[in-house]
Amino acid sequence: NAGVTQTPKFRILKIGQSMTLQCTQDMNHNYMYWYRQDPGMGLKLIYYSVGAGITDKGEVPNGYNVSRSTTEDFPLRLELAAPSQTSVYFCASSYHPYEQYFGPGTRLTVT
Amino acid sequence: KQEVTQIPAALSVPEGENLVLNCSFTDSAIYNLQWFRQDPGKGLTSLLLIQSSQREQTSGRLNASLDKSSGRSTLYIAASQPGDSATYLCAVRVAGGGADGLTFGKGTHLIIQP
Repeated sequence: NAGVTQTPKFRILKIGQSMTLQCTQDMNHNYMYWYRQDPGMGLKLIYYSVGAGITDKGEVPNGYNVSRSTTEDFPLRLELAAPSQTSVYFCASSYHPYEQYFGPGTRLTVT
Repeated sequence: KQEVTQIPAALSVPEGENLVLNCSFTDSAIYNLQWFRQDPGKGLTSLLLIQSSQREQTSGRLNASLDKSSGRSTLYIAASQPGDSATYLCAVRVAGGGADGLTFGKGTHLIIQP
């Protein structure tokens, strides 16, 4: 099993551009999550999904959108990128309510 | 709103020492608590998961305890090694309503001196 995979690993965006961060898991987990981690801070939940077709907001959803059309994939969309979205983004999955497994992260810089 | 605090923020000890990392949370209504390890520039590796009905979990040289009523957890590392150097994150999964994700502390940055 590959676990949770994320692409790309790194990306630089200009202010106002858009992009999609990809996340795929091969563990047949029902729950998937997106977190962001700013330097020296803990992770904060952006969006989560309890199954295909069902998504909900987390603590910091503004400026992001998600969709969950399959069990395996949970892409995160950034519209009109802003410098405040410079961060490391982690995708995770779990078979509720058990432990969460994290991907390697996407390091995003908006300039 | 659930808040998670980790003490100390940083710790540097000689190799071979036993050490304790502390985690406290403000709302005792949790499903579980998870300890992670994060190496610089890397993702999170799950170390231990304690369900709300459990008191402790052990894996090798690691032992995590949970006192839900007082809102505290400790991660005990026995016979520390330089390879244990990393940031250790504590996270709780809330029970009941609200966003269903983990609430994280800011971490303890651990350095084990050879």
